[in-house]
Amino acid sequence: AQTVTQSQPEMSVQEAETVTLSCTYDTSESDYYLFWYKQPPSRQMILVIRQEAYKQQNATENRFSVNFQKAAKSFSLKISDSQLGDAAMYFCAYPNTGNQFYFGTGTSLTVIP
Amino acid sequence: KAGVTQTPRYLIKTRGQQVTLSCSPISGHRSVSWYQQTPGQGLQFLFEYFSETQRNKGNFPGRFSGRQFSNSRSEMNVSTLELGDSALYLCASSLGGQANQPQHFGDGTRLSIL
Repeated sequence: AQTVTQSQPEMSVQEAETVTLSCTYDTSESDYYLFWYKQPPSRQMILVIRQEAYKQQNATENRFSVNFQKAAKSFSLKISDSQLGDAAMYFCAYPNTGNQFYFGTGTSLTVIP
Repeated sequence: KAGVTQTPRYLIKTRGQQVTLSCSPISGHRSVSWYQQTPGQGLQFLFEYFSETQRNKGNFPGRFSGRQFSNSRSEMNVSTLELGDSALYLCASSLGGQANQPQHFGDGTRLSIL
């Protein structure tokens, strides 16, 4: 069964600093995708970044980047130059081949001014 | 392009009642998925519809049902409401419903059962 684990319920970071959120997953597939979503207090889930498992290069979107370790089944999110607007719940997600998304339990990120 | 629209935003019901939630996907998106989000269980997949057919179903009782119309709009119905059904219900749409395509979420419907 596919599972997604986020072991950090809460994290905090100083404004302008860098923070890394952890995620591990379990799958028997060799070709798949992974996603990070952000859910601010407004509650809408917003796509942050997507990683294709067969690509060696880690995905990057502006200040957001991932560290994808396929063999270790690890998919961490790095936020550089943290801003107050980055404060939110962050969810790691894995979709199976049937497009059923499995989400981790989330990490609540606080940004300290 | 308009995003995913869910109505209503808030709903209060009592035990035993039934409720219908609505979701309008992004124009052109044919896949609609529903999730239940609670503090205790997190985000749990309910079901997915594609071209008016239910393609996937999560592990929820038969009281939870849905449908999709020809214009891709979807409704979710919960019958015989229980206190444990109190949750944020999120709808998400994607273009073709393939696993490589991100899902775009609505703002959700907050359902409270008294």
